[in-house]
Amino acid sequence: NAGVTQTPKFRILKIGQSMTLQCTQDMNHNYMYWYRQDPGMGLKLIYYSVGAGITDKGEVPNGYNVSRSTTEDFPLRLELAAPSQTSVYFCASSSDRDTGELFFGEGSRLTVL
Amino acid sequence: GQNIDQPTEMTATEGAIVQINCTYQTSGFNGLFWYQQHAGEAPTFLSYNVLDGLEEKGRFSSFLSRSKGYSYLLLKELQMKDSASYLCAARSNDYKLSFGAGTTVTVRA
Repeated sequence: NAGVTQTPKFRILKIGQSMTLQCTQDMNHNYMYWYRQDPGMGLKLIYYSVGAGITDKGEVPNGYNVSRSTTEDFPLRLELAAPSQTSVYFCASSSDRDTGELFFGEGSRLTVL
Repeated sequence: GQNIDQPTEMTATEGAIVQINCTYQTSGFNGLFWYQQHAGEAPTFLSYNVLDGLEEKGRFSSFLSRSKGYSYLLLKELQMKDSASYLCAARSNDYKLSFGAGTTVTVRA
């Protein structure tokens, strides 16, 4: 199993550009999450999904959009990138079985200049 | 909403014990998690509590008191490799999982 795969690992954007961070998992997990982590800080929830076709806002959704058309994929869209969106983005997934622990991707480091 | 508090930093000596406290306020509580994160890496799962009491896994133990909205992570026989950030996270009934800011633990020889 590959687990949770995020792409790209690194990206530099200019202010006002748009991009999509891809996330896919092969564990048949219902729950998927997008977090951002600023230097020296904890994880802030951007959006999450409890299943295909369902998405909900987290703590910091402004400037982002998500979709969940399949169980496997949960892309994060940045429209009109701003310097405040410079961060490391983590995608994670979990099941509703056992502890429901999160499995994280390796992270995507985004810089907006 | 969820409000999670934990200390910013802790320092301990190799071989010692450190206890990291976490207080949380969440509507519809559905589990408390602890994760370890080394610099530049993704968080990794350490422990999960949903009922009151102590869960022990080797050198790491986690405690939960639901009535007090309180948890702690106990790290025993500290090793240099335990230097990392430790993240407390609370899950609500709608499977929203929110993290605290993390506690940076530095282990000194």
